[in-house]
Amino acid sequence: ILNVEQSPQSLHVQEGDSTNFTCSFPSSNFYALHWYRWETAKSPEALFVMTLNGDEKKKGRISATLNTKEGYSYLYIKGSQPEDSATYLCAFHNNNDMRFGAGTRLTVKP
Amino acid sequence: DAGVIQSPRHEVTEMGQEVTLRCKPISGHDYLFWYRQTMMRGLELLIYFNNNVPIDDSGMPEDRFSAKMPNASFSTLKIQPSEPRDSAVYFCASSPRRRNTEAFFGQGTRLTVV
Repeated sequence: ILNVEQSPQSLHVQEGDSTNFTCSFPSSNFYALHWYRWETAKSPEALFVMTLNGDEKKKGRISATLNTKEGYSYLYIKGSQPEDSATYLCAFHNNNDMRFGAGTRLTVKP
Repeated sequence: DAGVIQSPRHEVTEMGQEVTLRCKPISGHDYLFWYRQTMMRGLELLIYFNNNVPIDDSGMPEDRFSAKMPNASFSTLKIQPSEPRDSAVYFCASSPRRRNTEAFFGQGTRLTVV
């Protein structure tokens, strides 16, 4: 079973703060990494699909980077807003399998 | 394709009753996931299947929970007997093996056990 870890498990920040969290995955047989944003009681929203080492993706105030050689991806949120409060999930794919991380639960206080 | 279809959307049941949640994944997807979301516990992965085979059920809370995927187009999550602490929103997701295609999630089933 693949080991995909997200840290921290939860995070509380003040409105306006910038923040980041990590998804760690096995560095061998990398295939793809996906990031999702999941608000309570809603279906998740796909944020980024990352397939190449060194990929950097951006969507508004949210961006992500990918390092497949060392097995991690960072998600950054610039100037956090209360509406950014959600659980952020990563999903790692290798050649044979896929696995979601447990998520980072972000709370942005006004 | 209509996306991942979950039924029912809402379920209210009495403690001790059996509850069955249903999921129809997107045709051709290899993976199916069952998640549970509550305010107290956040998001929990219950079980996932690869080509109809259960791969990891370590998130299933206890023996009262069971999940099946008899074929590629249907999965069930059953709780027997149900308890008030099982009240949550249960999501199903399916995903293909294609690297540029993300997973798709259903709208969820809101379960209330009274």
